[in-house]
Amino acid sequence: GESVGLHLPTLSVQEGDNSIINCAYSNSASDYFIWYKQESGKGPQFIIDIRSNMDKRQGQRVTVLLNKTVKHLSLQIAATQPGDSAVYFCAESTTDSWGKLQFGAGTQVVVTP
Amino acid sequence: GAGVSQTPSNKVTEKGKYVELRCDPISGHTALYWYRQSLGQGPEFLIYFQGTGAADDSGLPNDRFFAVRPEGSVSTLKIQRTERGDSAVYLCASSLGGSMSDTQYFGPGTRLTVL
Repeated sequence: GESVGLHLPTLSVQEGDNSIINCAYSNSASDYFIWYKQESGKGPQFIIDIRSNMDKRQGQRVTVLLNKTVKHLSLQIAATQPGDSAVYFCAESTTDSWGKLQFGAGTQVVVTP
Repeated sequence: GAGVSQTPSNKVTEKGKYVELRCDPISGHTALYWYRQSLGQGPEFLIYFQGTGAADDSGLPNDRFFAVRPEGSVSTLKIQRTERGDSAVYLCASSLGGSMSDTQYFGPGTRLTVL
């Protein structure tokens, strides 16, 4: 079936560097995308979202890019900090089933000093 | 303000037993969601409620799983005749309203272990 997935299972980043986490999706009907951060023992925490009528959205230290042509989503974290160490998930939904988020497998980000 | 809370935080049961997992959404949130997360994987959708009614229960794996939200606030996920494969973290989320871009806020989850 159609699914959301991630390219890199683990990303090691030096403190202060920028991080880029990638996500591929296969459902062409997906029109809403979200990035979540999950720390050990906690539930996912919303980071940023983007709708399919946009190709870029910025938040505090984070930017999400959407390329609908190749069905690719990325999360950029500027000046990565130790507190950014976590598992990052992309998720998507469609207008027809907006409440049903489909998550990818996640990328573990490890920030090294 | 208080976030989504889930009880118990951990539940250990024996195969074949019945369990109930509780979710208290953020006050005023009309939509509530249940997901299941296995180790090393992303959350998997189970069911969501808009008010008291289940708007989409397509993710419930079989008829051993059932969820209710009788007063449009607290929800209970019920699992009958538990199996070892039901072991996972069960996550609950809530959102303010019923639109696509309403952020789903997650609770800490209930870790269910079926022995």
